[in-house]
Amino acid sequence: ETGVTQSPTHLIKTRGQQVTLRCSSQSGHNTVSWYQQALGQGPQFIFQYYREEENGRGNFPPRFSGLQFPNYSSELNVNALELDDSALYLCASSFEGALGANVLTFGAGSRLTVL
Amino acid sequence: QKEVEQNSGPLSVPEGAIASLNCTYSDRVSQSFFWYRQYSGKSPELIMSIYSNGDKEDGRFTAQLNKASQYVSLLIRDSQPSDSATYLCAVNDQAGTALIFGKGTTLSVSS
Repeated sequence: ETGVTQSPTHLIKTRGQQVTLRCSSQSGHNTVSWYQQALGQGPQFIFQYYREEENGRGNFPPRFSGLQFPNYSSELNVNALELDDSALYLCASSFEGALGANVLTFGAGSRLTVL
Repeated sequence: QKEVEQNSGPLSVPEGAIASLNCTYSDRVSQSFFWYRQYSGKSPELIMSIYSNGDKEDGRFTAQLNKASQYVSLLIRDSQPSDSATYLCAVNDQAGTALIFGKGTTLSVSS
């Protein structure tokens, strides 16, 4: 059984650029969530995808967007990067439909630095 | 704004002692509660989940939930230096879609 994999692990961008982060779900999981974790803070929910549609969204602006593919992998896109977007971006997969729907398995994360 | 509150610490305990980590939450309708461990520079790792009032034990870890007081705790018995990490408390949101995390408590276990 493979876990959640994310790429890239680290990247540096400049303000105003765009970035795409990728995630492969754990085998058997059908739901993908993305979280942003700033230094010294807990993860903050960005959005969740289920059956290739956005299933919930946190308090993030529209320049944060995502996709889920038929194989349950996912992308997080951030446009017009701002300095405050510097953070660890965590992808988490889960299985929707069971008691453990909120039991998240996190990937190792993508650390984004915006200069 | 639904909130999850934790003392940021650091909480320092000697090896072999019991570490007690506490968390309060603001949304009375929360049904699912989780403790994640996060080592420095790594991603969160699930330690315990608890859904009903009372205690739940798993090895050296015990989660305690009191919904009336909106309080959840994690006890770590026989603390080891390898337990040194940040512990994140999380509760589900009303929609059951997202987890709301606290800022985490940093635990340091000295040998």
